[in-house]
Amino acid sequence: KAGVTQTPRYLIKTRGQQVTLSCSPISGHRSVSWYQQTPGQGLQFLFEYFSETQRNKGNFPGRFSGRQFSNSRSEMNVSTLELGDSALYLCASSLVGVKDSANTIYFGEGSWLTVV
Amino acid sequence: AQKVTQAQTEISVVEKEDVTLDCVYETRDTTYYLFWYKQPPSGELVFLIRRNSFDEQNEISGRYSWNFQKSTSSFNFTITASQVVDSAVYFCALSGMNTGFQKLVFGTGTRLLVSP
Repeated sequence: KAGVTQTPRYLIKTRGQQVTLSCSPISGHRSVSWYQQTPGQGLQFLFEYFSETQRNKGNFPGRFSGRQFSNSRSEMNVSTLELGDSALYLCASSLVGVKDSANTIYFGEGSWLTVV
Repeated sequence: AQKVTQAQTEISVVEKEDVTLDCVYETRDTTYYLFWYKQPPSGELVFLIRRNSFDEQNEISGRYSWNFQKSTSSFNFTITASQVVDSAVYFCALSGMNTGFQKLVFGTGTRLLVSP
């Protein structure tokens, strides 16, 4: 069973540009979440999508946005990039359901973004 | 608010030593989940264990064991007979019913260095 897949794995962007990151969840998983990891702030929750709707949101500016498609695949976008956006962006998926195990959250390998 | 504290920033041990990673959490939720993840240099967060707030049974999986104590709000992780391959950053995380089970709050992580 394939895990959470993220593309691209590495990218370099210039300040002011925008970037789109993609995530394919584990087959059958309906919830997709995004996290930012930086040395200074650690791992922080960006947002969660379920059934194409944003269900939860962290404390990030509006430059950070996302969406989820009908096949549960998700993209996140960061506009007007700043140097401080350099980070590892991690996507996670979970089944979601009544069973306890449905709330296990699995992560992808992440996308390493460098803003220069 | 939810909070996870991993007071140990870095631990160095020699192979075959036992090591315990501490995790203390704060939450007002009565229903919540606790997680441990391993992050190797590649960046992926590897799921190790999920425990719900109603299940205080300790768990053992091979060389890994977890001690969940609600009375002290702790969820500690012990590696028995450590190996070089255990070297990684380990994160403890928490999610709750009121904030959303798919929204993880992470500790700052503990870097474990196992030398031969």
